[in-house]
Amino acid sequence: AQKITQTQPGMFVQEKEAVTLDCTYDTSDPSYGLFWYKQPSSGEMIFLIYQGSYDQQNATEGRYSLNFQKARKSANLVISASQLGDSAMYFCAMRHPSGGTSYGKLTFGQGTILTVHP
Amino acid sequence: DAGVIQSPRHEVTEMGQEVTLRCKPISGHDYLFWYRQTMMRGLELLIYFNNNVPIDDSGMPEDRFSAKMPNASFSTLKIQPSEPRDSAVYFCASREGGRSYNEQFFGPGTRLTVL
Repeated sequence: AQKITQTQPGMFVQEKEAVTLDCTYDTSDPSYGLFWYKQPSSGEMIFLIYQGSYDQQNATEGRYSLNFQKARKSANLVISASQLGDSAMYFCAMRHPSGGTSYGKLTFGQGTILTVHP
Repeated sequence: DAGVIQSPRHEVTEMGQEVTLRCKPISGHDYLFWYRQTMMRGLELLIYFNNNVPIDDSGMPEDRFSAKMPNASFSTLKIQPSEPRDSAVYFCASREGGRSYNEQFFGPGTRLTVL
């Protein structure tokens, strides 16, 4: 069974500094995908970045990058140059592997609340 | 692009009443997902559809919950009878088929309070 673990309930960072949010996962399938979503206090879920298990390079999207360490089964989100608007809950999620009836569904971690201080 | 539309945004009801949550996915998306978010259990997948057909309903908590997708542009999640423990934010999400890296687009959610 797929499992996602986010061990940091809360993180604090100073504005303009970088922060890393941890995510580890467990799967026995070689084909999977990892997503990060942001949930601000307003409640909506915003897609940030995606990493496929076969991707050779770490994914990047603007100030977001994913530190993907396949052997350690970790997919940490790095936010560079933090902004006050980055304060939110962040979720890591894993897409179930292809070939089964559960393909396409996501399993989410418990989330990390990030607070950016001015 | 209107995004995923959910209604109502807020629902307050009394225990025992029937509750119907509605969702309109993004046009052209083949998959539709219903999630529930609570402080205790986090974000849980309840059920998802592919091309209007329910594929996995293993997350539906019990028989009081049912979901339908009569056509590609509309889905409902019904709770009957509702209980206080059903209080949560319910999200609908949709995604395109085909590419494995297609992200799910979430609606704004429906905040349900059962008194």
